[in-house]
Amino acid sequence: GENVEQHPSTLSVQEGDSAVIKCTYSDSASNYFPWYKQELGKGPQLIIDIRSNVGEKKDQRIAVTLNKTAKHFSLHITETQPEDSAVYFCAASLSGNTPLVFGKGTRLSVIA
Amino acid sequence: DADVTQTPRNRITKTGKRIMLECSQTKGHDRMYWYRQDPGLGLRLIYYSFDVKDINKGEISDGYSVSRQAQAKFSLSLESAIPNQTALYFCATSVGRNNSPLHFGNGTRLTVT
Repeated sequence: GENVEQHPSTLSVQEGDSAVIKCTYSDSASNYFPWYKQELGKGPQLIIDIRSNVGEKKDQRIAVTLNKTAKHFSLHITETQPEDSAVYFCAASLSGNTPLVFGKGTRLSVIA
Repeated sequence: DADVTQTPRNRITKTGKRIMLECSQTKGHDRMYWYRQDPGLGLRLIYYSFDVKDINKGEISDGYSVSRQAQAKFSLSLESAIPNQTALYFCATSVGRNNSPLHFGNGTRLTVT
């Protein structure tokens, strides 16, 4: 089955700097790659996703890039703010009928 | 997501007890899931259901059972709780379409002593 590795497990950045979280996946047939943000005491929420026919997607300060050849995808957050502090999860899915497989999460701390 | 409600929010139980975690949704989604979150291990799938009466095992189904009584309800049972089932449990839903986002509840924190 699919295996998703996520790095780093913790990340601290100064407010205003950029943050990058990287994930690799094992099955080249995977075609859907969402990112979730989990705030304290809440369930994860989708922040951005990308499909395998697209190399990059951007939504305001967040962007995701996908390299199918290398089987890795990354989340980029620019101009970080304290409210970006949370746990971020990447995930991958083989097909619509295959549930998402999640990475182990990255705890991002933005220091004011 | 307030449209996915998990009860209880917190539960402490003793080893060997049977316990049920409830999930209900008002989103009208066909698909429902149960995930478990442990520190450093991320989210791992326990069971999922694509429709009423459809039940599928996930990565870590041993020691758990589920029931999909209606489209809107998906319950998770621990027949005989053990301490290593202490974790944060999340219910999620999605529409019945390929690669649709998951919508999570706010979780149930379970402690087995």
